[in-house]
Amino acid sequence: EAQVTQNPRYLITVTGKKLTVTCSQNMNHEYMSWYRQDPGLGLRQIYYSMNVEVTDKGDVPEGYKVSRKEKRNFPLILESPSPNQTSLYFCASSSGWGGDRTEAFFGQGTRLTVV
Amino acid sequence: GNSVTQMEGPVTLSEEAFLTINCTYTATGYPSLFWYVQYPGEGLQLLLKATKADDKGSNKGFEATYRKETTSFHLEKGSVQVSDSAVYFCALTHLSGGYQKVTFGTGTKLQVIP
Repeated sequence: EAQVTQNPRYLITVTGKKLTVTCSQNMNHEYMSWYRQDPGLGLRQIYYSMNVEVTDKGDVPEGYKVSRKEKRNFPLILESPSPNQTSLYFCASSSGWGGDRTEAFFGQGTRLTVV
Repeated sequence: GNSVTQMEGPVTLSEEAFLTINCTYTATGYPSLFWYVQYPGEGLQLLLKATKADDKGSNKGFEATYRKETTSFHLEKGSVQVSDSAVYFCALTHLSGGYQKVTFGTGTKLQVIP
């Protein structure tokens, strides 16, 4: 079954404690990205990756890091989380966003609370 | 820059009512346009798409037509069901720095009551 798997689904942490949210896809997709979803703001892209070792900033990258060492995995790293990073996070993957290769698959989401 | 504007929600309809969720966009070039749906507690799923002007995307009774002259991509359904209750996101893809980037609208929550 084609899927994007995020872990954990729920996480409560304290300010400043480093954390990693994992994302894995089984569709051999080149393109992966991270979004955060906040009320009234929709989905905003944090980082994206066009392929292994190719990553770039999205619209709201401050306070986040990513890596893409393998095609299937795209972890999101918060080195020093702060309360304003409390949000719902989604990982997505696709074979490409142009033309007909446009369907993106989303993970189930990770609800992060930073206290 | 590129942007997507959706109508504010929530939208509350009775079952079998007609649905329209407005979406307008600002973009340079020729973006592809999408509607995604998010059911409670789940991630987003692609509902339909249109990749060029005058294309009509359709799926599960939903339709949207890519209107370049009005820069719109309104979502419609003739008869909604309770199971259609969800949040709907309009989105576009565009080239930025040589890569495709995605811009989402803020989402419109639809509540269908029996």
